Amino acid sequence: DIQMTQSPSSLSASLGDRVTISCRASQSISSYLNWYRQKPGKAPELLIYGAYTLQSEVPSRFRGSGSGTGFTLTISSLQPEDFATYYCQQTYSNPRTFGQGTKVEIK
Amino acid sequence: QMQLQQSGPGLVKPSETLSLTCTVSGGSISGNYWSWIRQPPGKGLEWIGYIYYSGSTNYNPSLKSRVTFSVDMSNNQLSLRLKSVTAADTAVYYCARWQQWAPHDGFDVWGQGTVVTVSS
Repeated sequence: DIQMTQSPSSLSASLGDRVTISCRASQSISSYLNWYRQKPGKAPELLIYGAYTLQSEVPSRFRGSGSGTGFTLTISSLQPEDFATYYCQQTYSNPRTFGQGTKVEIK
Repeated sequence: QMQLQQSGPGLVKPSETLSLTCTVSGGSISGNYWSWIRQPPGKGLEWIGYIYYSGSTNYNPSLKSRVTFSVDMSNNQLSLRLKSVTAADTAVYYCARWQQWAPHDGFDVWGQGTVVTVSS
């Protein structure tokens, strides 16, 4: 199985801050990488697929980058709804695997 | 707009079988892939597997010996069965559409989640 490792596990930020979350794969996965946001008590929402393609209706403040084994999710200006947990997921091979999550909290 | 509505018992006894249903509305099961994903309390996401509308499946090897997916086209429903459950199977279970944008894919529509506790 491909292991996905996110960093940091949690971070504190303020409204309007720029935030960066990293995800590393245990082997090269080209650009087969998705990002999800999960608000407390809710199902995850797909933000980005193919490492950098924004899912329909996702705000442009979200940006994905990277390829191979290293990936980044950047939120350019944190909004209230962005205080949540973020997961990366590889779609290179089965079984599909997720990172352990990065919790973004209010400072 | 497609919606997925999950149903099933929230409490299952150890060694018994967990059974959940996911009803698709605002769209059709036909032509789509569907996945089940679970999340233990306070932990991350685990992909259980997928089923194509035709009935073909692919399960996570970690659960393959105990899990079965099925599709009921007439009722637009998906089902998950997990046998011989233990406390380690306690989790929120989600159904999701596994959308394909070749060569990429992702889970773009999710059910609301079902909290399942394994306890006597």
